[in-house]
Order: sequence, then C-alpha cells, then structure tokens
Amino acid sequence: QSVLTQPPSASGTPGQRVTISCSGSSSNMGSNTVNWYQQLPGTAPKLLIYSNNQRPSGVPDRFSGSKSGTSASLAISGLQSEDEADYYCAAWDDSLNGPVFGGGTKLTVL
Amino acid sequence: QVQLQESGPGLVKPSETLSLTCAVSGYPISSGYYWGWIRQPPGKGLEWIGSIYHPGSTYYDPSLKSRVTISVDTSKNQFSLKLRSVTAADTAVYYCARHSAGGIPNYWGQGTLVTVSS
Repeated sequence: QSVLTQPPSASGTPGQRVTISCSGSSSNMGSNTVNWYQQLPGTAPKLLIYSNNQRPSGVPDRFSGSKSGTSASLAISGLQSEDEADYYCAAWDDSLNGPVFGGGTKLTVL
Repeated sequence: QVQLQESGPGLVKPSETLSLTCAVSGYPISSGYYWGWIRQPPGKGLEWIGSIYHPGSTYYDPSLKSRVTISVDTSKNQFSLKLRSVTAADTAVYYCARHSAGGIPNYWGQGTLVTVSS
C-alpha cells in the first residue's frame, strides 16, 4: 500500500489531454512540494516535474503540474505515443523523514 | 555529471543478508546531500528504504528499520545497503539515489534486480 494515492491506469488518444491525480496527507503533500517521475519499461524513474509545477531542462512544456492542499495533478497535453509509461508522484514526508511515492499510474496511448 | 552505479549479487537465499553497493562519481559523498536506497518489486511501485547523510545520520522506513543498515565509505566514494533476513517479498529492483534534505531523488542509478530464492 503506497503512501500517496494514484489511479492505477489512465489512457488517451494521440493529441488528447490527460490528467493523472495524486493525493496524500498533511505530513507529506500538505506541507511539502509534489514531484512527478516518468518511468519507461526497464529504466530508472526520470524526474518530470519538481516543486509542484517546475520542469527540469529538456522536459517538454506539454507536461505540467499543479497542487492544491493535499492533492496534485499531472497534465499531459498533445499526447504522443512516446508518452506511454508509468508515472509516479512523490513528496517528502515529515513524519518519515524520507520521500514517499504513489503507487504509479500506467498511461496507455490508444 | 553525477552518476550512481549499483553492484551486488543478483540472487540471495531466504533468511540471508542482501548486500549492495552504490559507487558514486562526479560528486564527493562527503560534500553533502543524502544518499539513499529505493526499491521496486516486480510490477509494483517505488518504496523508499532509507538514506544516509555523511558522516553518519541515517533514516530508515519504519517497516524495514529492524533489518536495514546503510553505511558510507568516503575513501571509495560509495555507500552500501545491507538488508537482513530476506524473504521472497524482498525481491525487487534496487536503486540507489541522491536527494537533498526535504527533497526527492533527482539522481538515480540504473537499478539492479535482486531475487530472493533458494
């Protein structure tokens, strides 16, 4: 059972906009920023969004993040086939003194 | 460019100790940041195991704390994970990573699969 809650799956057609939700609690998302990773099969997670809505260099602006209270969302616009991957939300947890993760959302591009 | 590389046995017998090492290049471990271990069971999500801040502050997930030790060897610029009394439930891809205080990992190793089986 993951600390942060995500839907197990999401899907969309090329060009469409999809969103993935993430919810937590006061000790993690309620008091710290939310981050998102993209994980392609057989590879390590890649940081996609940090500090709620910031993109590392090289991440297309089709990816955006938002947060409100203990909930957050990742939005992907102009969906492309290469976006098919697992997406994880993550946040620091003040009670654990470590990072916590969502269970992951498998995005399928139909 | 910070790079991390895990190494260790890919197969461990039940009840034995899983031992992994993470070699770091491009940044001295002794200069700061937290160095941690995260695992991913097959087909499942990411689980934080624990982290260390040199010279010796350690933080562990409560569910694993009684079985885990993370240590640093600054002379080799590497850090290690020991997980005792393993069972099949400990089968996973193990990643080493770097993160800041209050932050999430931004540098990861490629991961290494460890299978617990007799």
